[in-house]
Amino acid sequence: VIWMTQSPSLLSASTGDRVTISCRMSQGISSYLAWYQQKPGKAPELLIYAASTLQSGVPSRFSGSGSGTDFTLTISCLQSEDFATYYCQQYYSFPHTFGQGTKLEIK
Amino acid sequence: QVQLQESGPGLVKPSQTLSLTCTVSGGSISSGSYYWSWIRQPAGKGLEWIGRIYTSGSTNYNPSLKSRVTISVDTSKNQFSLKLSSVTAADTAVYYCARSRDGLGAFGYWGQGTLVTVSS
Repeated sequence: VIWMTQSPSLLSASTGDRVTISCRMSQGISSYLAWYQQKPGKAPELLIYAASTLQSGVPSRFSGSGSGTDFTLTISCLQSEDFATYYCQQYYSFPHTFGQGTKLEIK
Repeated sequence: QVQLQESGPGLVKPSQTLSLTCTVSGGSISSGSYYWSWIRQPAGKGLEWIGRIYTSGSTNYNPSLKSRVTISVDTSKNQFSLKLSSVTAADTAVYYCARSRDGLGAFGYWGQGTLVTVSS
C-alpha cells in the first residue's frame, strides 16, 4: 500500500492569495497523481491529472507539479469559489489511495 | 456528456449486504477503455477507494474490503453494481460511483453520491 501525507490539513487564506498544498508518497509513483476539489455536500471534481495536466474547464489559476514522491497543487490567485477541501490521489498501484484532505478556509 | 447516478437502499441492517447500482447515461458503459469505480466517504472524513471494474469484467478491489466486496457490470442496462457483505456501522458513508477520465485511474466523472446508513 502506498501511504500519502497531505499537508497542511487546514489552510487559512484570503481572496487573491497564492497557496500551495503538498502531497508526499511513501514510494515513487511517477506522475500518476490527481488533485480534486470537493465542496460540502457535493462529489469531488477532478482538477489535475498526471500530476500537472489541467482537466478541461478548470481555471488556469490551478496548477500541479512534481513527480516521484513529492507533489504540489498551487492556486495562484484565490477566488471566493476556491474555498473548499482538496484531495490528492495516486493511481500508480492498488489500492488507489487518497490523501487526508486539505480544507482551505477564508482567513 | 457522461452522467452517473447511484441508487439503492439508504438504510441497511448490520450483518446484511449493502447493494448499490450506478446507472450510466450519455454514453455506453461498454465503449472506450474506461474503468468504473466505487468510492466512499464517511461523514466528515476522507475518501476511500473501494474497487473498480473494466467493461471486460475484470476487477480490482481494495485489500481492506476485498473479502466483502463484489463489483459487477450489466452492459445491457448500462449499469454497474456494488455489493458489500456483512456490513457494520463503520460502513456508514456516502457512496460514489465514478468513471476514469481515460484508461488510467483519475476519476473524471462522478455520481452525486448516495448516503447509506448501517443501523438496526
